[in-house]
Amino acid sequence: SSELTQDPAVSVALGQTVRITCQGDSLRSYYVSWYQQRPGQAPVLVIFGKNNRPSAIPDRFSGSNSGNTASLTITGAQAEDEADYYCSSRDSSSNHVFGTGTKVTVL
Amino acid sequence: VPLVQSGAEVKMRGASVKVSCKVSGYTLTELAMHWVRQAPGKGLEWMGRFDPKHGEPIYAQKFQGRVTMTEDTSTDTAYMELSSLRSEDTAMYYCATLLLAYDAFDIWGQGTMVTVSS
Repeated sequence: SSELTQDPAVSVALGQTVRITCQGDSLRSYYVSWYQQRPGQAPVLVIFGKNNRPSAIPDRFSGSNSGNTASLTITGAQAEDEADYYCSSRDSSSNHVFGTGTKVTVL
Repeated sequence: VPLVQSGAEVKMRGASVKVSCKVSGYTLTELAMHWVRQAPGKGLEWMGRFDPKHGEPIYAQKFQGRVTMTEDTSTDTAYMELSSLRSEDTAMYYCATLLLAYDAFDIWGQGTMVTVSS
């Protein structure tokens, strides 16, 4: 079972802001990264490090950390942001682990 | 650094499957290659990694004894072999490279669907 917990699903109105959280004790010690996965596609890295975006990722995506909770925020959600989102970090054995995933629906 | 994986596989229960992941644009020795799988309708699951700079591969405990990750540096191709297949091994298998400075999977292969039938 994953040591990183996410809400199963969230919804957001088009153009509004949504925050996705990821909780786990290991987040106090290790970097967290965030991935977007659209149906039928491979995951795509959207946030890494403290709050870094790959060049192809729009600046409406941002990340933050506080204690054992990491957050991914989409400011001004677009229809194409509808996807599953996963956080990733390390577990208590220092192996990589993914969060349980959050399905984002854009209304 | 595109990663191109081998095609879909259908295997009988108890058999083995070997999935390949070819790197282009870089050499495999410059990369830390990991393997992740995703069962239908389920989340992502880290399986392990092979990093030649650090010697032996590291596998998730769940797959210990059944998985073997190797690399052929002459062809810049990484391999993941899973043996004693069970129905619950039916999944999409991805290779992914790790951005070491930030511990993030920056490039992913397109995935290889492995179906285990009885």
